[in-house]
Amino acid sequence: NAGVTQTPKFRILKIGQSMTLQCTQDMNHNYMYWYRQDPGMGLKLIYYSVGAGITDKGEVPNGYNVSRSTTEDFPLRLELAAPSQTSVYFCASSADRGNSPLHFGNGTRLTVT
Amino acid sequence: KQEVTQIPAALSVPEGENLVLNCSFTDSAIYNLQWFRQDPGKGLTSLLLIQSSQREQTSGRLNASLDKSSGRSTLYIAASQPGDSATYLCAALAAGNKLTFGGGTRVLVKP
Repeated sequence: NAGVTQTPKFRILKIGQSMTLQCTQDMNHNYMYWYRQDPGMGLKLIYYSVGAGITDKGEVPNGYNVSRSTTEDFPLRLELAAPSQTSVYFCASSADRGNSPLHFGNGTRLTVT
Repeated sequence: KQEVTQIPAALSVPEGENLVLNCSFTDSAIYNLQWFRQDPGKGLTSLLLIQSSQREQTSGRLNASLDKSSGRSTLYIAASQPGDSATYLCAALAAGNKLTFGGGTRVLVKP
C-alpha cells in the first residue's frame, strides 16, 4: 500500500503566486487533514474533512482552501502566496476520529520568496 | 484551549540507556493521546495510541502511559539504540476533532 501520497515534495513560489498541494490516500479513510509544521513548533491544523463533500476549518485556515470531491483526494490550494506560508505541509488520514491512528504523507516543503 | 508541552526539547543518551519522554496537556477532556516518531525530512509515523479509558499501551520496546487527572503522558523506550534517534511528538485529541500537537523532543542515541 502506498498510504498517503503528497506531491510535490518541494516547491518555491514567488509572492502572490498560487498553487495546489496534492494529497491522495488509498486506505479508504474518511478523515483527512492538512497540517503545517514550522521549525521547532508542533503541527498546526489548517483544514480537515470527515468525508467526501465535507470540509471544515482548523486552527490556521487563512490563506488556504480545500475541496474533497472524492474519498481519496484532498488538495490544498494556496491563493496569493505570502512569505508567512513558508513551511512544511503534511497531509494525513485516519479511519475514524477517536480509535484509529493518523497516517501521514512525507510532506511538501514550500518556500515563498 | 488545549496546550500540549514536551520537555525537554532535546535529549542525548548513550546506547542501551532507557529513554523517558514527557508530554503534558492542559485539558484533561481528551479522547485519546498519540505518540509519533518523525525522522528528518519525513512525515510522522504513529507509534502508540492510548484511549482516554486506558492507562497504558505497549508495543515491543515502547510503553506509553496516560494519567488524565494530572494531564501527563510518558513514552518509555527500553534499551535505546542509535536507530531510535528521531523527533518524538505527542498529540491529544479533544472535542471538535481537534488534535493538538506538542513541539516534540529531539532524541539522539549515541553509539
